[in-house]
Amino acid sequence: DTEVTQTPKHLVMGMTNKKSLKCEQHMGHRAMYWYKQKAKKPPELMFVYSYEKLSINESVPSRFSPECPNSSLLNLHLHALQPEDSALYLCASSRVGTAQETQYFGPGTRLLVL
Amino acid sequence: GQQVMQIPQYQHVQEGEDFTTYCNSSTTLSNIQWYKQRPGGHPVFLIQLVKSGEVKKQKRLTFQFGEAKKNSSLHITATQTTDVGTYFCAGPSSGYALNFGKGTSLLVTP
Repeated sequence: DTEVTQTPKHLVMGMTNKKSLKCEQHMGHRAMYWYKQKAKKPPELMFVYSYEKLSINESVPSRFSPECPNSSLLNLHLHALQPEDSALYLCASSRVGTAQETQYFGPGTRLLVL
Repeated sequence: GQQVMQIPQYQHVQEGEDFTTYCNSSTTLSNIQWYKQRPGGHPVFLIQLVKSGEVKKQKRLTFQFGEAKKNSSLHITATQTTDVGTYFCAGPSSGYALNFGKGTSLLVTP
């Protein structure tokens, strides 16, 4: 099973809402990632968890809050987002957290902030 | 992190024509990976190149890693409409992460 699943597929939220994005993998991978992708742009790294510990926070605003409850799950909690945060949010995983490893991407959550 | 520059940004070809996208780095890369993202889809891993001068083939796709490990290319022979999408190269950034090139969007006209 080389699948990374993400829910929901689409999300529309207001600037005062609180919502969460979920990601799951059952490949036994020990590194999980959140990326943000705007239209016609490459994915931009937001967070990296390695062995359930936050390893990288790419200076992401505090209105994005990641959580890794266990090695298979990754959440992204959203609060007080801005319209410019509208994007495709991609989760990925890799066997371990090194840049030599293949990353497996989920289908993403398309987020629209009104 | 190490920046990878990718050209061209867009390429429009007739079905059956060849296509090439190029990635360049100012510093030596330990490895380079290639991903394809179909319209409306997510990036899918294609291949990883590690060795200097390495050439790998996947059917009509040929991937090369330069001798100096600073550049790489993806060549598609006789494109098909199924090749449509954006092709990203990605090099190592920090110890954990990938640094994606800006991508080349390929459009194939039947």
